[in-house]
Amino acid sequence: KAGVTQTPRYLIKTRGQQVTLSCSPISGHRSVSWYQQTPGQGLQFLFEYFSETQRNKGNFPGRFSGRQFSNSRSEMNVSTLELGDSALYLCASSATGNTEAFFGQGTRLTVV
Amino acid sequence: AQSVTQPDIHITVSEGASLELRCNYSYGATPYLFWYVQSPGQGLQLLLKYFSGDTLVQGIKGFEAEFKRSQSSFNLRKPSVHWSDAAEYFCAVTPGDSSYKLIFGSGTRLLVRP
Repeated sequence: KAGVTQTPRYLIKTRGQQVTLSCSPISGHRSVSWYQQTPGQGLQFLFEYFSETQRNKGNFPGRFSGRQFSNSRSEMNVSTLELGDSALYLCASSATGNTEAFFGQGTRLTVV
Repeated sequence: AQSVTQPDIHITVSEGASLELRCNYSYGATPYLFWYVQSPGQGLQLLLKYFSGDTLVQGIKGFEAEFKRSQSSFNLRKPSVHWSDAAEYFCAVTPGDSSYKLIFGSGTRLLVRP
């Protein structure tokens, strides 16, 4: 069974640009969550999608958004990038009724 | 507000020695509790989880953790550490109300001396 796949693995963007990250969950998993990991703030919850609906949202500005498609694949978008958005972005998927989250390898975003 | 505290930023142990990583949580009820491990540049791998029942849970790679409600703790242990255990370890909680929102501690980096 394939794991959680995140693409791309690495990204370099310029301040002010926008970026879209992709996450393909484990087959059959309908919940996808996103996390930001930085040395200063650690692992922080961004948002969670279930059956194409945002079910939970963390404390991030509106520049961070996401969506989920009917096949459960998810994307997150960050607009007007700031240097502080440089981070490892992790996606996790979970099966219905099971709170165990399986993580992808992450996308390393560098904003210059 | 829910929170997780891992008081040790770094821990160094000798290979073959025992290990205990501390985790304390703050939550009104008994949350679901997890330990994850992260190797450099990689995602998170689940070591073990506690939902209910037996307070001593066994995980992968020879790890175990004990839930102590009275101390709001969920410490991770391993009787004999291997060099390949060097990584960063994260304790996490989730409310367990079908929410998949994980709240993580700040992590403990484990260094293993040969």
